[in-house]
Amino acid sequence: DAKTTQPTSMDCAEGRAANLPCNHSTISGNEYVYWYRQIHSQGPQYIIHGLKNNETNEMASLIITEDRKSSTLILPHATLRDTAVYYCIVRVASGSARQLTFGSGTQLTVLP
Amino acid sequence: NAGVTQTPKFRVLKTGQSMTLLCAQDMNHEYMYWYRQDPGMGLRLIHYSVGEGTTAKGEVPDGYNVSRLKKQNFLLGLESAAPSQTSVYFCASRLTSGSIDIQYFGAGTRLSVL
Repeated sequence: DAKTTQPTSMDCAEGRAANLPCNHSTISGNEYVYWYRQIHSQGPQYIIHGLKNNETNEMASLIITEDRKSSTLILPHATLRDTAVYYCIVRVASGSARQLTFGSGTQLTVLP
Repeated sequence: NAGVTQTPKFRVLKTGQSMTLLCAQDMNHEYMYWYRQDPGMGLRLIHYSVGEGTTAKGEVPDGYNVSRLKKQNFLLGLESAAPSQTSVYFCASRLTSGSIDIQYFGAGTRLSVL
């Protein structure tokens, strides 16, 4: 899995967009970018993933740069319930049994 | 659709006692995992299963055993609990299909061993 770098922490005002960056300069052509989050005292939760095109679902949008060396997770209208640690993971979508490895992630705090 | 359900949510054990944590998933996934998470730390893989009747060791398997007798259930056993096993335990099941590779986690079991 390619190494990822994320800021340790970020703040965002409630109702504003939260933009969480992730650098993955060593990403390989067949590796996907996945985002998970872990709200305090809860299990990790899948948010979104993508290969090279921008993706959007009901939770968030994922913007991947053209060279694929970085990406941004966007929560369009952050709420207090979005306060969590956000993890960017780069890995091959594979049938092997490899575990999911979380780095240190970004602590997002949504402020009222 | 319940997803991944873990039982119990909380438990306090005395050193040397045994217990079994149950993980149930209703998504028909082949892969299931048991992780532990210590305060301020990331997830560490204990054991995993790639299908009914098969299990394998992960990163930190010592002191734990698992069984996958039915596809929907993955059990984690502690035969003789130790204070070092105080942790939050998460179970996950995994969907893999083409470009999709997503793990779905339960809410966790908070275990204290005194």
